[in-house]
Amino acid sequence: DAKTTQPPSMDCAEGRAANLPCNHSTISGNEYVYWYRQIHSQGPQYIIHGLKNNETNEMASLIITEDRKSSTLILPHATLRDTAVYYCIVTGYSTLTFGKGTMLLVSP
Amino acid sequence: GAVVSQHPSWVICKSGTSVKIECRSLDFQATTMFWYRQFPKQSLMLMATSNEGSKATYEQGVEKDKFLINHASLTLSTLTVTSAHPEDSSFYICSARTHTGTGASVSGYTFGSGTRLTVV
Repeated sequence: DAKTTQPPSMDCAEGRAANLPCNHSTISGNEYVYWYRQIHSQGPQYIIHGLKNNETNEMASLIITEDRKSSTLILPHATLRDTAVYYCIVTGYSTLTFGKGTMLLVSP
Repeated sequence: GAVVSQHPSWVICKSGTSVKIECRSLDFQATTMFWYRQFPKQSLMLMATSNEGSKATYEQGVEKDKFLINHASLTLSTLTVTSAHPEDSSFYICSARTHTGTGASVSGYTFGSGTRLTVV
């Protein structure tokens, strides 16, 4: 699976959009980009995934660059409950390998 | 959506005893489940892949005789930590692949809520 690079931490004001970047320059053609988050002492929660097109669901939007070497997870209106570690994972139909993720802190 | 139920959520055991953790897929069949371990302030590390009806595949460095995995049915996988020691204290998390398909219809993986194991 391709390796991903994420900033270790980010801050966001409550109510503002949170944009979390992820670099995956070695992604191959059949690999998907997945985003999960983990709130302290809980199991990871699925957020969204995509192959090459931008995706949106009730939780977030995923923007994938045309060359697929990077992506951005967008939480349109961050709340305090969105404080968590966000993991960007690139994988084909195999296991999920977790990196260190980005610790997003949403403040009032 | 798909739900993976993991029990117990926490357990304290004495050194030298064994502990069993259960992971159930509630509304779908999971032919493959995954077991992770997470130490404080670290990321999740894959321990093993559990396949229904066959032997589990362990990651390098994980002792298969210490961490026994049984996946006897399409909805249940268990992890038994045998002869537990304080260094086995960790957060154990299971996961199941929840959908098979092609293209963007591959929905990924659902995780249990985790088990906090403390060995004293």
